[in-house]
Amino acid sequence: NAGVMQNPRHLVRRRGQEARLRCSPMKGHSHVYWYRQLPEEGLKFMVYLQKENIIDESGMPKERFSAEFPKEGPSILRIQQVVRGDSAAYFCASSPPGGLEYTDTQYFGPGTRLTVL
Amino acid sequence: AQSVTQLGSHVSVSEGALVLLRCNYSSSVPPYLFWYVQYPNQGLQLLLKYTSAATLVKGINGFEAEFKKSETSFHLTKPSAHMSDAAEYFCAVTLGNQFYFGTGTSLTVIP
Repeated sequence: NAGVMQNPRHLVRRRGQEARLRCSPMKGHSHVYWYRQLPEEGLKFMVYLQKENIIDESGMPKERFSAEFPKEGPSILRIQQVVRGDSAAYFCASSPPGGLEYTDTQYFGPGTRLTVL
Repeated sequence: AQSVTQLGSHVSVSEGALVLLRCNYSSSVPPYLFWYVQYPNQGLQLLLKYTSAATLVKGINGFEAEFKKSETSFHLTKPSAHMSDAAEYFCAVTLGNQFYFGTGTSLTVIP
């Protein structure tokens, strides 16, 4: 059973470009979470999605950031018009359906390291 | 509101010595608590979790943590450090709709 997959592992963008980060949850998992880890800091929650629904986006910046988890395919975190402050590691996690939301174990992917030049 | 405080951003121990990583939480209701480990350039891996059952929780790789409500603590311990334990360790609390992570403790094991 493959774990949580994220791609690309490393992404370099120039200021003003768009960044698209992909996350494929573990097989059978329908809950996806995105986190951002800034240098020397812990993980900060961004958004929680289920298939075709955004459940909680309270951690998402109000502008330029969006996330989706379509019926088919991976979850996408999109950052438009990137700025240097967006440089960070972005982690995706998934958890199975039927568990306690937010309290069930989350399984993390290896992360995407975004560098904005 | 929930939050987690990890005391000591860097901890060094000798190989074979006791590992103690500190975590204190604040929560208005009984929390669920987690410890995760992150190896370089990898994602987080669950070590153990507390979900209001036994207060002493045993995890993988010989780690354990004890939930102490009176001290609002959930410290992570391992009796004997191994070189492979060198990594970043994160404590997390969840209740309601979010995971709150501490800022992490980097563990160095000295041969």
